[in-house]
Amino acid sequence: DAGVIQSPRHEVTEMGQEVTLRCKPISGHDYLFWYRQTMMRGLELLIYFNNNVPIDDSGMPEDRFSAKMPNASFSTLKIQPSEPRDSAVYFCASSTVGGYNEQFFGPGTRLTVL
Amino acid sequence: GESVGLHLPTLSVQEGDNSIINCAYSNSASDYFIWYKQESGKGPQFIIDIRSNMDKRQGQRVTVLLNKTVKHLSLQIAATQPGDSAVYFCAENPLTGTASKLTFGTGTRLQVTL
Repeated sequence: DAGVIQSPRHEVTEMGQEVTLRCKPISGHDYLFWYRQTMMRGLELLIYFNNNVPIDDSGMPEDRFSAKMPNASFSTLKIQPSEPRDSAVYFCASSTVGGYNEQFFGPGTRLTVL
Repeated sequence: GESVGLHLPTLSVQEGDNSIINCAYSNSASDYFIWYKQESGKGPQFIIDIRSNMDKRQGQRVTVLLNKTVKHLSLQIAATQPGDSAVYFCAENPLTGTASKLTFGTGTRLQVTL
């Protein structure tokens, strides 16, 4: 199995631009999670989906952030417009049985907003 | 000015010695706990988990101990190797009504010296 796949691995953009991060979960996993990791706040859960449906988006910082999961094998996290404080590493993770089983993390996307 | 980030506690251990990494969790209602290992430039990797109905669980070279009375979790690594150098996170399921939501600790950096 290829594991969780994220793209791009690195993204550098200018303030105000739209950024789209992509994730392909492990086949057969029915939960997908988006996390953000920064030195200031550590690892934070932004949103998660179950069977393509958003379950909890309380961690999404503000309306500039949106996430979609159009099918079981693809999800996007979009930031529009981006700001320098959005600079972080964004991780996608997937799992099979909610929080009672391990979450498999992707390699992350390092986002830098100038 | 200089930004202030999370201060990661660091544990330095000599190769071959045993390591003990500690974690205090916040929610007495949490019933599932995981230890993750994160190497530089990579996503967190599952190490071991434990349910609240257990006090101890062993894996290969790793043991997790859970003390619910004082809300304390520890990870013991036997015969520490250079490849064990990483940041270690504990995570808890805070049972917010959605079983999948994990809350991560700030992490401990393990440095293995030769």
